[in-house]
Amino acid sequence: DAMVIQNPRYQVTQFGKPVTLSCSQTLNHNVMYWYQQKSSQAPKLLFHYYDKDFNNEADTPDNFQSRRPNTSFCFLDIRSPGLGDAAMYLCATSRVGQGSIQYFGAGTRLSVL
Amino acid sequence: AQSVTQPDIHITVSEGASLELRCNYSYGATPYLFWYVQSPGQGLQLLLKYFSGDTLVQGIKGFEAEFKRSQSSFNLRKPSVHWSDAAEYFCAARGGATNKLIFGTGTLLAVQP
Repeated sequence: DAMVIQNPRYQVTQFGKPVTLSCSQTLNHNVMYWYQQKSSQAPKLLFHYYDKDFNNEADTPDNFQSRRPNTSFCFLDIRSPGLGDAAMYLCATSRVGQGSIQYFGAGTRLSVL
Repeated sequence: AQSVTQPDIHITVSEGASLELRCNYSYGATPYLFWYVQSPGQGLQLLLKYFSGDTLVQGIKGFEAEFKRSQSSFNLRKPSVHWSDAAEYFCAARGGATNKLIFGTGTLLAVQP
């Protein structure tokens, strides 16, 4: 059974049109992460939540925002997508103290037209 | 600075042949070490991890990895590759002050009949 679920798997949006990607987890992990992965590159951490505490990476553009309304759900909001934001977006979760193993969802492939 | 290096961008092996994917890390102290596999259009799946203890670790799908402190390496191996092993493989490390998961640039494995 999938433990980290991302919806949708594929998302097409228009240049400048806000888009929201969703992640849910059944692991009850207290940390949730969002990564951006462009073609043939390693995942790049955008931000993470430790419980309700939001931790933004220094080089994450302001265009990217996140919300975590409860333990199970986390959202990635892209306020004004540009062509350069087309990528795979990966959600991951971990529990602090178990060696911090991160478990990844299947990802959402975002296309910007 | 903390880093993970995968020297081989692309490797092609014949089905049934043995495989070794290289990974080197640069950290002040031994980090937690991981190997993930990513099939096309999918998220990352954890193959195996090293935290401490026995330097030869077994993972899923018949993979193993050997930690060598003297070489700062954590190479992934499989004695006999199957066509379904074709995917991208990421070595990752976590530790130090930031405790972020740092990925190598990945090795794309092709398996020929």
